[in-house]
Amino acid sequence: QSALTQPASVSGSPGQSITISCTGTSSDVGGYKYVSWYQQHPGKAPKLMIYEVSNRPSGVSNRFSGSKSGNTASLTISGLQAEDEADYYCSSYTSSSTLVFGGGTKLTVL
Amino acid sequence: EVQLVESGGGLVQPGGSLRLSCAASGFTVSSSYMFWVRQAPGKGLEWVSLIYPGGGTDHADSVKGRFTISRDSSTNTLYLQMSSLRVEDTAVYYCSREFYLDSWGQGTLVTVSS
Repeated sequence: QSALTQPASVSGSPGQSITISCTGTSSDVGGYKYVSWYQQHPGKAPKLMIYEVSNRPSGVSNRFSGSKSGNTASLTISGLQAEDEADYYCSSYTSSSTLVFGGGTKLTVL
Repeated sequence: EVQLVESGGGLVQPGGSLRLSCAASGFTVSSSYMFWVRQAPGKGLEWVSLIYPGGGTDHADSVKGRFTISRDSSTNTLYLQMSSLRVEDTAVYYCSREFYLDSWGQGTLVTVSS
């Protein structure tokens, strides 16, 4: 199972919006609704930010939103804040009944 | 409140073995999809192993035949038995649950080095 494809880095200024893409295949992202996004600050465990493509867990800011079109899922962060600076990973259920991650995207808040 | 606490990591020589534990509270491990995910230093997340509620298991190709995931219902604990360890298995190992990985432990560091 190949890793999902994410951009290595994205950046934005405070208050702006950014979008991180996550591209897979019809055997993972395109075939199922089980796409998730995680935020990871240095030295910390990942934190679930979006599940099932577009759902936010309780306590996650509504500045975070998710969507999917075909084999590509996207995470959008609006109203960028300094604390959003972190690494972001996507994951998807696969046709093999396992899990695959994206390579990760480093978000820099300028 | 869901809580996961990993333990058992440490320094081991190539070819050695180690068993990781993940003590769970706030939910039932045997009723959940439970995962081990690892992160090598400076690298991304990698799915390692999965145990289904029915007891079936699956492992990433990179660890198949060397790692075994299991659980103990009486103690609500998840395990990862690792053998024939390689330098490239060096990573922080996390346990998590369900396919959306809604809760994570703090991780336990495994270092494979001579």
